Amino acid sequence: NFMLTQPHSVSESPGKTVTISCTRSSGSIASNYVQWYQQRPGSAPTTVIYEDNQRPSGIPDRFSGSIDSSSNSASLTISGLKTEDEADYYCQSYDDSNVVFGGGTKLTVL
Amino acid sequence: EVRLVQSGAEVKKPGESLKLPCKASGYSFTNYWIGWVRQMPGKGLEWMGIIYPGDSDTRYSPSFQGQVTMSVDKSITTAYLGWNSLKASDTAMYYCARLGDGLGTPPDWGQGTTVTVSS
Repeated sequence: NFMLTQPHSVSESPGKTVTISCTRSSGSIASNYVQWYQQRPGSAPTTVIYEDNQRPSGIPDRFSGSIDSSSNSASLTISGLKTEDEADYYCQSYDDSNVVFGGGTKLTVL
Repeated sequence: EVRLVQSGAEVKKPGESLKLPCKASGYSFTNYWIGWVRQMPGKGLEWMGIIYPGDSDTRYSPSFQGQVTMSVDKSITTAYLGWNSLKASDTAMYYCARLGDGLGTPPDWGQGTTVTVSS
């Protein structure tokens, strides 16, 4: 089994760009697709990135995903930050038939 | 449009049983895994397990094996998460989610059901 480690919190100003990392503890980050979920306060999670770098319809192109084999990590980048982007963000991948979540990152847009 | 509709809030006593539904529509129910996720108050997302409606193949997270039961009713395209004997520590929000297929279909989420277990 592996773990996905995310920073506990990040903050940035409106209009700026922020990147949230998700580091896999063992095995290759490229072995299994990574998803990213946004959870605003009081709401259910929604998918903002799936299959490493794909955006569901309705998700603006300010959201992008990538993986980096050298650091064995995935990243979610949000450009042109808006106050509505303030939320918790979770990465998720697979371990055989199990699902693994990162611990979540609280994004503050101030 | 893919929809996963969950039921309203539940308030139960310790020792009672419960079965939470997740009604799916807008896609081929039997062809995608459905997962259940727990979120305890103020905490992160925890994966409980997944079930494949096509053949009811079920994989439980080790943390939840033996504690809950996942099932489906294909005739009404509904997945269920059940408990035989609730504990206070089961108090949480529970989400169902349709997993992606790795071939271009994104995951979709239900709106969640709050379960409160208190004497």
